[in-house]
Order: sequence, then structure tokens, then C-alpha cells
Amino acid sequence: KAGVTQTPRYLIKTRGQQVTLSCSPISGHRSVSWYQQTPGQGLQFLFEYFSETQRNKGNFPGRFSGRQFSNSRSEMNVSTLELGDSALYLCASSPRLATDTGELFFGEGSRLTVL
Amino acid sequence: DAKTTQPPSMDCAEGRAANLPCNHSTISGNEYVYWYRQIHSQGPQYIIHGLKNNETNEMASLIITEDRKSSTLILPHATLRDTAVYYCIVRVSSSNTGKLIFGQGTTLQVKP
Repeated sequence: KAGVTQTPRYLIKTRGQQVTLSCSPISGHRSVSWYQQTPGQGLQFLFEYFSETQRNKGNFPGRFSGRQFSNSRSEMNVSTLELGDSALYLCASSPRLATDTGELFFGEGSRLTVL
Repeated sequence: DAKTTQPPSMDCAEGRAANLPCNHSTISGNEYVYWYRQIHSQGPQYIIHGLKNNETNEMASLIITEDRKSSTLILPHATLRDTAVYYCIVRVSSSNTGKLIFGQGTTLQVKP
């Protein structure tokens, strides 16, 4: 079974631009969560989607948004990029919204550099 | 979700057991203890979780104290590939599945 796939793996943008990152969850998984990882703040929860609906949201500005498609694939978008948005963006999937184990399966991440 | 406290770093000799402690003194009765690890430049990987009983799987063992205020993750025979940041997370298993609150974790360095 293929794991969580994130694209692109690396990208470079300039301040003011916008970026869209993609995440394909494990087949059959319906919950997708996004995290931002920076050296200063560590791993921080961005938001979670389940059945095309945002279920949870972290403490990030409105420039960070996401969506989920009917096939459970998810995208996140960051508009008006700032230097501080440079980070590793991680996607995680799980079979359903509430599970017995609570285990999340993470992708390798998309590393964004903002110049 | 309860807050956890972990030492920032630890060393372990290859082939020896690595014992990673975690304090979670404010844990509630319905909160589980989860361990994830993150090898450099990869996404976090689930290791193990438990409620109050000790747990063991192919990767590690989890020992939770009787009062549940602390736990220890044990890697029985550490290898160089176990060098990673280990995160102890406390959460309610059945809700907010996708939301994990990561602390700073413990950087485990396995040395030859």
C-alpha cells in the first residue's frame, strides 16, 4: 500500500507570491491533517479535513487555507508569502476522524523556501 | 490535551537499551500516551501508544507508571538508525484524531 504522497518535495518562492501544496493520503484514508515545521516553533498543527470538511483548525492566519476533494486528496494554499513561511509542510492521514489507535501516517513533507 | 516534558537530548550506545522518559503529570483519565519519532528530514513516524498498561510492539516498549504521571519509551537494542527526535504526546484517542500537539521532543543520538 502506497504511503502518504506530498508534492512538490521542494520549492522556492519569493515574498508576496502564493503557493499550493498537494497531499495524497493512503488509499482508503479519509482524514488529512497539515502541519508546519520550523526550527523555532517546531511542529505545529495547521488544519484537518475529513470528508471535504474542515474539522479542526490551528492558530494560523487566514493566509493559510486548505481544501479536500471527494477522493480525499488535499491541498493547502499559502497566499502573500512571508519569509517566516519558510518551513517543512507535512501532511498526515488516518482512516477516519476518530480511531481506536489515533495513529497518524505522515508524508515526507514539502520544503518551502521563501526568498 | 495534557502537557508533556521531555529531556532535550540523550545519548545511547549502539546495541544498548535506550530509555526515553516523559513527564505528563496533568494527564486525564481518558488521555493516552503516544510516542512518535522523526528521523532527520522525514515525516514523524508512529511508534506506540498506551493508556495505563505497559505496551510492547515490534519497535518498542512503553512503560507507564501506576499513577500515569510519567512514562518511559524503551528501544531494547538501539541501532544507529534509531537516531531521531522522539516526541511524547498525550491526547484523547477518540477525538481530534488529526490534531497532535508536539513539544520539542528528545533528540536521541545513538553512538557506535
